[in-house]
Amino acid sequence: KAGVTQTPRYLIKTRGQQVTLSCSPISGHRSVSWYQQTPGQGLQFLFEYFSETQRNKGNFPGRFSGRQFSNSRSEMNVSTLELGDSALYLCASSLSDHQETQYFGPGTRLLVL
Amino acid sequence: EDQVTQSPEALRLQEGESSSLNCSYTVSGLRGLFWYRQDPGKGPEFLFTLYSAGEEKEKERLKATLTKKESFLHITAPKPEDSATYLCAVQGNSGYALNFGKGTSLLVTP
Repeated sequence: KAGVTQTPRYLIKTRGQQVTLSCSPISGHRSVSWYQQTPGQGLQFLFEYFSETQRNKGNFPGRFSGRQFSNSRSEMNVSTLELGDSALYLCASSLSDHQETQYFGPGTRLLVL
Repeated sequence: EDQVTQSPEALRLQEGESSSLNCSYTVSGLRGLFWYRQDPGKGPEFLFTLYSAGEEKEKERLKATLTKKESFLHITAPKPEDSATYLCAVQGNSGYALNFGKGTSLLVTP
């Protein structure tokens, strides 16, 4: 079974631009979560989607948004990029509900200049 | 607010030298405690899920245990390929998010 895939793997943007990251979950998984990983803060939860609905949101500004499509694929968008948005963005998928193990993709490395 | 603290931050072991990593947590209603391994530049790789105090799980040289306040990841006779960052995360009643600790960076030398 294929794992979680994320595209692109690497991205360089400049301040003020916007970016869209894509995630395809493991086949059959309906829940997709997004995390930001930085050396200083570690892994921090951004949001979680199930059946195209956002069920949970982390403590991030409104510049960070996401959506999920009917095939469970998900995208996240960051508008008006800041230098501090440079990070590894990780997507994780799980079957559906609480207590389900989340399986992570390889991540998208975003560098904001 | 859920909190996860991992110790030590970094650990250096000789090949074959067993040790334990600690994950202390506070959470409102533990739904699950998760251990992951992360290699540089890669996404976290799932190792174990523990649901209730007293539960133990094993995989090769790794064994995870859980109490009401902490979890341990025991590494028996480690090999250099066990070198990685080990992450602990909890999921509580507040939602679906995983709350991660900062990780323990393990280096196993030949």
